[in-house]
Amino acid sequence: DSGVTQTPKHLITATGQRVTLRCSPRSGDLSVYWYQQSLDQGLQFLIQYYNGEERAKGNILERFSAQQFPDLHSELNLSSLELGDSALYFCASSKQIGGMADTQYFGPGTRLTVL
Amino acid sequence: GQQVMQIPQYQHVQEGEDFTTYCNSSTTLSNIQWYKQRPGGHPVFLIQLVKSGEVKKQKRLTFQFGEAKKNSSLHITATQTTDVGTYFCAGTINQAGTALIFGKGTTLSVSS
Repeated sequence: DSGVTQTPKHLITATGQRVTLRCSPRSGDLSVYWYQQSLDQGLQFLIQYYNGEERAKGNILERFSAQQFPDLHSELNLSSLELGDSALYFCASSKQIGGMADTQYFGPGTRLTVL
Repeated sequence: GQQVMQIPQYQHVQEGEDFTTYCNSSTTLSNIQWYKQRPGGHPVFLIQLVKSGEVKKQKRLTFQFGEAKKNSSLHITATQTTDVGTYFCAGTINQAGTALIFGKGTTLSVSS
């Protein structure tokens, strides 16, 4: 158990809908990262927040947004869902701002299925 | 864009055989990390390499970082069925960089 929690574990929804994925980082970790894992694209970095502020952005679609709240939990919002958004979404956390010597601890993931 | 390539994509070995996965970056990396993801699980941090030419060992696992800091390898000696999973390398591009760029991983299967 990494100490990172993600809810829900599974989510099944229809195209065009909007969903929110939630992540609670390990106690004391200030950074939260979101990743999308699909079979053909591997593990894709989406976005990072550090202590409530957006720190780095990866291949995140405009239909997706995220935020980190004062209690450091984070939410990833996915809207206008398409079939291709079906994937495993991981949240990870780390102690500091990231980069060297900053291990990322991954949560169990949320499996999103868009029908 | 910045990419981290990993080969092979899949590898099947007999228990007791050795296994190696290779990671190559188009850009010099400030560091490289390795993660293991068991089937149905989440990535778990294994190790970080920072120095040019660095070699680190964890029991049967040997990790190397190239002299030019553009490539890395993970070698497993005498594989066991517990080694099954997908091994990812991930690097950051500069010292201030925070985003990890992951390779697509090498999935290892082991038959006994």
